[in-house]
Amino acid sequence: AQKITQTQPGMFVQEKEAVTLDCTYDTSDPSYGLFWYKQPSSGEMIFLIYQGSYDQQNATEGRYSLNFQKARKSANLVISASQLGDSAMYFCAMRKNSGYSTLTFGKGTMLLVSP
Amino acid sequence: EPEVTQTPSHQVTQMGQEVILRCVPISNHLYFYWYRQILGQKVEFLVSFYNNEISEKSEIFDDQFSVERPDGSNFTLKIRSTKLEDSAMYFCASSEATTDLRETQYFGPGTRLLVL
Repeated sequence: AQKITQTQPGMFVQEKEAVTLDCTYDTSDPSYGLFWYKQPSSGEMIFLIYQGSYDQQNATEGRYSLNFQKARKSANLVISASQLGDSAMYFCAMRKNSGYSTLTFGKGTMLLVSP
Repeated sequence: EPEVTQTPSHQVTQMGQEVILRCVPISNHLYFYWYRQILGQKVEFLVSFYNNEISEKSEIFDDQFSVERPDGSNFTLKIRSTKLEDSAMYFCASSEATTDLRETQYFGPGTRLLVL
């Protein structure tokens, strides 16, 4: 069975600083994908970034980057130059490549960005 | 940019009543999903749907739940006899294909269901 662990229930960061949100995962599948989603207070789920288990390089999307350490089974999200609009809940999720398409989510981390 | 839409945004119902949650997936997507998120908890998978049939369902998706694609654009989740514990945010998602790990599921804005 797959499991996603996000150990930080809440994080605080000042505007313009970088912040790292932790995510560790557990799977016996050799092939899997890791995703990060943002959920602002309005409730929608917004896709941020993807990392594949066989990707050689860490994924980057604008101010978002993924610190992927396969041996440690971690896929931490790094947000650089935080903005007030980054305040939201952040979910790490995983899907495995064995004929199933479902996402398994972690419990999320609430990020608050202060001026 | 194409997006998944869901209606209604909020629904209040009495315990035991039937509710239908509606979703319009992104037009060229082939796979559809329902997830739910009980307040303050993580997002949980309910069911996936492809080619007019369920491809996978979780243990949450019992006989009280059903899904349907009644026409070429809508995808619905029906709860036959709602219980208090069905109160949650329900998300619809869609994706182009599932054979590629990179394939992203795009989520709708959610329907917040409250069962009284």
